[in-house]
Amino acid sequence: QVQLQESGPGLVKPSLTLSLTCTVSGGSISSGSYCWSWIRQPAGKGLEWIGRIYTSGSTNYNPSLKSRVTISVDTSKNQFSLKLSSVTAADTAIYYCARSLYYYDSEAGVDYWGQGTLVTVSS
Amino acid sequence: DIQLTQSPSFLSASVGDRVTITCRASQDISSYLAWYQQKPGKAPKLLIYAASTLQSGVPSRFSGSGSGTEFTLTISSLQPEDFTTYYCQQLNSYPRTFGQGTKLEIK
Repeated sequence: QVQLQESGPGLVKPSLTLSLTCTVSGGSISSGSYCWSWIRQPAGKGLEWIGRIYTSGSTNYNPSLKSRVTISVDTSKNQFSLKLSSVTAADTAIYYCARSLYYYDSEAGVDYWGQGTLVTVSS
Repeated sequence: DIQLTQSPSFLSASVGDRVTITCRASQDISSYLAWYQQKPGKAPKLLIYAASTLQSGVPSRFSGSGSGTEFTLTISSLQPEDFTTYYCQQLNSYPRTFGQGTKLEIK
């Protein structure tokens, strides 16, 4: 059973960089055809896709965040990471790491989610 | 970006009712649509992918249909545990986007 677990600071000061890591257990991050994503959700609001990475290192980002986002993967540690720079209060949210399943070679949906971690941006 | 609009945003129903939630896309997304259920304080759970394929372990009272720009999620007979929030997501193009959510409440 695949499990994902987010880790990182729960409080980040404005203008600094938010850094989160997702550790994957129960399977190799390199095995199979999956992509690994970050999705966030402000309290009481809807879901926002941040970006995704393949284990090849190929990435796609949400243009609304693109200039501030970096997603990377460390296959040796079975982890992938998110960095979001120049944060403001608007970046306060629950951050989820996630794995997408593939169906007929196309990304079809997130079948595994981390439990989510609340990151608050405040001085 | 592709916009997804769910209707209704709020839905009141009773146990045993049949309900349908609609998700409309701002452009053709073929069948690249997923549906999720999210309970308070929990991560979303995948219900349906490829518009109509039931995810493993999901009860058969959930079904999805549609293609192009209009999609539906149907719950054939509501159970107490189904009263929560539902989201659609398009996976046709980047950035992936979600609908605004539909909150299903007990009447």
